[in-house]
Amino acid sequence: SAVISQKPSRDICQRGTSLTIQCQVDSQVTMMFWYRQQPGQSLTLIATANQGSEATYESGFVIDKFPISRPNLTFSTLTVSNMSPEDSSIYLCSVAEDPGNIQYFGAGTRLSVL
Amino acid sequence: RKEVEQDPGPFNVPEGATVAFNCTYSNSASQSFFWYRQDCRKEPKLLMSVYSSGNEDGRFTAQLNRASQYISLLIRDSKLSDSATYLCVVNMGGGSQGNLIFGKGTKLSVKP
Repeated sequence: SAVISQKPSRDICQRGTSLTIQCQVDSQVTMMFWYRQQPGQSLTLIATANQGSEATYESGFVIDKFPISRPNLTFSTLTVSNMSPEDSSIYLCSVAEDPGNIQYFGAGTRLSVL
Repeated sequence: RKEVEQDPGPFNVPEGATVAFNCTYSNSASQSFFWYRQDCRKEPKLLMSVYSSGNEDGRFTAQLNRASQYISLLIRDSKLSDSATYLCVVNMGGGSQGNLIFGKGTKLSVKP
């Protein structure tokens, strides 16, 4: 499986600021995804990061709040914009070779918004 | 009805016990099924895929019942290191490429 580096591993941010999370893979991958996992909850897909085009967002998530970049097949960023305490969560990137198949996860970013 | 449902537990079992988890899914068109393991404050990691014919990996056995739309995971001879949350994961198919749906997880605690 690919080696996925996600950073920062954690951050504490002030309300109204933005944080950009990076996900770097050691090999080219077809699919990259961004998830959120709130305390005691399951993973919720935010969006699929598409290389060279706009990300595909799931219901309830919008580009203005969670802009995503994917400039190549090994790297993606997720920005959490204009943060509020409700954005406190773990954000995870994942990769897959085939749509709908096994995904491998980065270690996650633990975000606390004050 | 939730898309993927699991008993949240916790399941508290002694070492050496056999424990089984069940998971139900709502979409009969689902194509792929997995069990992931998530340790406390860690990312989910693939435990095993679940095949129609059932599959076994050491002490772990996974089974799929398409007619009843449920998946099971059996752990034999539990070890302390098996303590974790086990996530049932289903691909919803129907053209939702890459759309894995995660259950909330079942927490297992193996005691000495």
